[in-house]
Amino acid sequence: DVKVTQSSRYLVKRTGEKVFLECVQDMDHENMFWYRQDPGLGLRLIYFSYDVKMKEKGDIPEGYSVSREKKERFSLILESASTNQTSMYLCASSFRGDYQPQHFGDGTRLSIL
Amino acid sequence: AQRVTQPEKLLSVFKGAPVELKCNYSYSGSPELFWYVQYSRQRLQLLLRHISRESIKGFTADLNKGETSFHLKKPFAQEEDSAMYYCALLTTNTGNQFYFGTGTSLTVIP
Repeated sequence: DVKVTQSSRYLVKRTGEKVFLECVQDMDHENMFWYRQDPGLGLRLIYFSYDVKMKEKGDIPEGYSVSREKKERFSLILESASTNQTSMYLCASSFRGDYQPQHFGDGTRLSIL
Repeated sequence: AQRVTQPEKLLSVFKGAPVELKCNYSYSGSPELFWYVQYSRQRLQLLLRHISRESIKGFTADLNKGETSFHLKKPFAQEEDSAMYYCALLTTNTGNQFYFGTGTSLTVIP
C-alpha cells in the first residue's frame, strides 16, 4: 500500500517565520506535488516535481518554494509566513505516465498567527 | 482557465435516493478523469477513474466526450457516502499534472 507521510498533522507558527513542511513517499514515485486545500476553493497546486532537483510552479507559487534533494522527499517552504497562508496543505505523489492516480498524505493543518 | 467545474458546492439527498454529482471539464487533449473522495478526518483517496470503467462502493462514472462531462452516480445513497467529492483531470502534455474541481460536499440524510 502506498504511503505518503507528512511530518506534522497540525502546526502553529508566527507571522514572518520560515516554515518547513516535509513529505516522504515510499513507492519510488517520480512525481510529487504540494497543494493547499481551502473551503470553497478545492485543491490548488502550489508546486510539483517530476524528478530529483526538478521543480515546476503550479497555480499559486507566490510566497512558497520547494526542495527535492532525494526522490522520496519533497519539502514545501514558506519563506516568510503570513496569515493568508493559514490552510490545509496536502502532499501527493504518483508514477509518471498515463492514468496514474495521485496518492495523498493526511495533510498538515497550518495556522499562522 | 478553469479546467474542471463542479457546479454544486453542497448536495443533500435522502438515504436510498439516487445521487448524481456533476463534473464538467475542458481540455483539448484526450482526457483522463478521476473522482476522489475525502471522508471526515481522512485523507483524500481515489474513488474511481474513467479508464477502469468499474463500480466502486456502488458509484459509477461515465465519460461523455460530447458533453465534456464525467458525472458520478449511485442509484441508492447510503449514510456512509457522506463526504467531500472531487473531480480531477489529468493532463500529460506537461507532465502528470492534475486539475481538481472545487469539490461537492455530499450529505446523505437518514
